[in-house]
Amino acid sequence: QITLKESGPTLAKPTQTLTLTCTFSGFSLSTSGVGVGWIRQPPGKALEWLALIYWDDDKRYSPSLKSRLTITKDTSKNQVVLTMTNLDPVDTATYYCTHARNYGDCVDYWGQGTLVTVSS
Amino acid sequence: QSVLTQPPSVSAAPGQKVTISCSGSSSTIATNYVSWYQQVPGTAPKLLIYDNNERPSGIPDRFSGSKSGTSATLGITGLQTGDEANYYCGTWDSSLSPSFVFGGGTKLTVL
Repeated sequence: QITLKESGPTLAKPTQTLTLTCTFSGFSLSTSGVGVGWIRQPPGKALEWLALIYWDDDKRYSPSLKSRLTITKDTSKNQVVLTMTNLDPVDTATYYCTHARNYGDCVDYWGQGTLVTVSS
Repeated sequence: QSVLTQPPSVSAAPGQKVTISCSGSSSTIATNYVSWYQQVPGTAPKLLIYDNNERPSGIPDRFSGSKSGTSATLGITGLQTGDEANYYCGTWDSSLSPSFVFGGGTKLTVL
């Protein structure tokens, strides 16, 4: 079965760079049509889509955050990494790693999420 | 201010039916598949509906989806207390820089 797990710091300081790693199993990111992405949710607020990387290394980013985000994959390690630069307290959120099916038409599997708090 | 507009809350009694709307635009719902997600507080979201009206394995047929023009609707029949959760619609925005977008979420209360 498909599982995804996020790892990274739980606390970060303003202006720092956040690096989150998603380690997954149950599928290959070299399979046509598959994507792995990131979605976040500030406490008590709505979901916000961040980025997606496809099996062919094509990438999509949220336009409002594009300048601060980078998504990469390591197919051999079954990992996807998201970096976010210049952190601000408003970036405090639970960050979810996700599996996107069928060229990304929806998110069908979610990780458990990891809460990242940005505070000095 | 989400790209997709949902009502903040809906409510209904157990056993009743409820619908949740999701309003978009010509670059979102009108030209892309819509999916729906259920999130019980404190847990990760779960896919309920994909490709406008398809249910993943394990999702009961009490949940249904539809789309017309720039709007989509999630329907839930035979409401149960366990359905109390936040519901989100999602789709692609096929603008100059394509990205996936979510609605602001709807809190369902089963009275």
